[in-house]
Amino acid sequence: AQTVTQSQPEMSVQEAETVTLSCTYDTSENNYYLFWYKQPPSRQMILVIRQEAYKQQNATENRFSVNFQKAAKSFSLKISDSQLGDTAMYFCAFMKPGGSEKLVFGKGMKLTVNP
Amino acid sequence: DAGITQSPRHKVTETGTPVTLRCHQTENHRYMYWYRQDPGHGLRLIHYSYGVKDTDKGEVSDGYSVSRSKTEDFLLTLESATSSQTSVYFCAISDGGRQPQHFGDGTRLSIL
Repeated sequence: AQTVTQSQPEMSVQEAETVTLSCTYDTSENNYYLFWYKQPPSRQMILVIRQEAYKQQNATENRFSVNFQKAAKSFSLKISDSQLGDTAMYFCAFMKPGGSEKLVFGKGMKLTVNP
Repeated sequence: DAGITQSPRHKVTETGTPVTLRCHQTENHRYMYWYRQDPGHGLRLIHYSYGVKDTDKGEVSDGYSVSRSKTEDFLLTLESATSSQTSVYFCAISDGGRQPQHFGDGTRLSIL
């Protein structure tokens, strides 16, 4: 079974700074997908970024980028130029393609961006 | 935003009563999922559906049942609610093919 670990329960950063959120996972699969979801106080679950394991190039979406290290089973999220609206819970998730395509989530971490 | 509606948004009920949560989608997606979110646990899969009348269990399915009689609706039922089922419940949909899941706004369920 796959597991996802987010070891930092909480972080804070100053507005405009860069912050990195860590995530590690355990799997014996070679082909899989990794995601970061954001959950602001409104409770919505918002997809931030997605990485396909067979792609070596790290995914980027505007101010969000990942550092995907397949051999180390590490998938960190970097947020550049942090904004107050980035304050949220962040969840790392794993998906094995085929079958149920269910998501396996980490426990989440709370990011606070301070003015 | 993906067309997903969860109802009700909030519910308070008593131990032992039956509860049904509804997830309605307008995207015609094949896959639908029910997760629960609890502090310190992230989101955990309860049940999922991969088509009309095709459902299967997730990792925390005890005490829950589901039904999907139409593509657009996925119901989660707690036959006899217990206080341990107090949680926030999320529905998610996906078209499969390795596409990401999109989530509804959640239902906060409190069982007293």
